[in-house]
Amino acid sequence: DIVMTQTPLSSPVTLGQPASISCRSSQSLVHSDGNTYLSWLQQRPGQPPRLLIYKISNRFSGVPDRFSGSGAGTDFTLKISRVEAEDVGVYYCMQATQFPLTFGGGTKVEIK
Amino acid sequence: QVQLVESGGGLVKPGGSLRLSCAASGFTFSDYYMSWIRQAPGKGLEWVSYISSSGSTIYYADSVKGRFTISRDNAKNSLYLQMNSLRAEDTAVYYCARVRIVWLNPMIVVVDAFDIWGQGTMVTVSS
Repeated sequence: DIVMTQTPLSSPVTLGQPASISCRSSQSLVHSDGNTYLSWLQQRPGQPPRLLIYKISNRFSGVPDRFSGSGAGTDFTLKISRVEAEDVGVYYCMQATQFPLTFGGGTKVEIK
Repeated sequence: QVQLVESGGGLVKPGGSLRLSCAASGFTFSDYYMSWIRQAPGKGLEWVSYISSSGSTIYYADSVKGRFTISRDNAKNSLYLQMNSLRAEDTAVYYCARVRIVWLNPMIVVVDAFDIWGQGTMVTVSS
């Protein structure tokens, strides 16, 4: 199974300041078709997860452009350019390159 | 609007059974692959199972293989998860989710991401 490791576990951020979350996979997520199926989800308190980013860097419909994804191979990053109050929650990376589909352990973003 | 609504959760004794349902609306359910994902209290996300649009392709996590059965009824726009031989470690919120897929060719698809999630239904396994 591909193990997804996220850092940090928690990220206290000042409103308006940037935040960055790292996700590392135990093996390359490059699929045989050349795509990399790494996505990011946001889970606000008491809510179900919501898709933010798919295939490393593609924002899903309705996702603000302050969210961006980058990376390649085994190392990926989610960035929030200017954190807003509504961004509080837990963020998960997920790989879909290989079954079983696996998630990172989550990173909690909170306001300082 | 696009919506998934889970139901069927509850309290069940170890070794018992439960059947979860997920009602889809706002999109052509029969065109989409679907999945179940769970989240134990205070924990992260765990993928459980996946089913193709026709129901012909199914995958399970090792933790539930042989005990859980995913199915769908496209005429009823519904996804199901039959859970048997339940254990305490199956206690979780169960989410159904719509699967984004990429068609490599008319016969081969690849999972991309989970783009629509339901609100979840809580399953508690306890004596």
